[in-house]
Amino acid sequence: NAGVTQTPKFQVLKTGQSMTLQCAQDMNHNSMYWYRQDPGMGLRLIYYSASEGTTDKGEVPNGYNVSRLNKREFSLRLESAAPSQTSVYFCASSDMTHSGNTIYFGEGSWLTVV
Amino acid sequence: GENVEQHPSTLSVQEGDSAVIKCTYSDSASNYFPWYKQELGKGPQLIIDIRSNVGEKKDQRIAVTLNKTAKHFSLHITETQPEDSAVYFCAASGWVSGTYKYIFGTGTRLKVLA
Repeated sequence: NAGVTQTPKFQVLKTGQSMTLQCAQDMNHNSMYWYRQDPGMGLRLIYYSASEGTTDKGEVPNGYNVSRLNKREFSLRLESAAPSQTSVYFCASSDMTHSGNTIYFGEGSWLTVV
Repeated sequence: GENVEQHPSTLSVQEGDSAVIKCTYSDSASNYFPWYKQELGKGPQLIIDIRSNVGEKKDQRIAVTLNKTAKHFSLHITETQPEDSAVYFCAASGWVSGTYKYIFGTGTRLKVLA
């Protein structure tokens, strides 16, 4: 059972370059998320998609765009990378109910912008 | 805005001792409180969770307690082992604007000394 799969695992970009992080989940979850993790900052929400066809900004959306391609896939795009976007990025998914459900994370993508 | 405070940021214990990590949340609408364990180079993995209608939950050596009045919840690990060494995150979540929002603590690095 793969769960949440994200690619690439590691990437080095030059300032100004663009790239897309890919994410797919095989749990038939409605909701998907992109987080970034920085030392001492915990996990901060960049964008989320409550269901297929919808996307919304999270806590730190500036400099990013997302696409919910279908129910399985949710990509994160950096149009013009900046050193401040050096971070570890996690994709996650959950099956949304009013009583709360577990959020499952991918293994992470380490991005360095030089 | 809403936040979750987590303490301590680092914790060292001798193997076999107990470890306690505490979190405080601000949003009274939060009703689901998961705890995640993150090993080096991996994504966060759920280890235990508790819902707002329960005061305590236990799973082998791990337990979580919730005090809704004080907005506190804690993770207790007994008989710690070296493999418990990792970063632990708490989260508080609730239904907001059509989706389940999660706010994470900043993490506790637990070191179990053999």
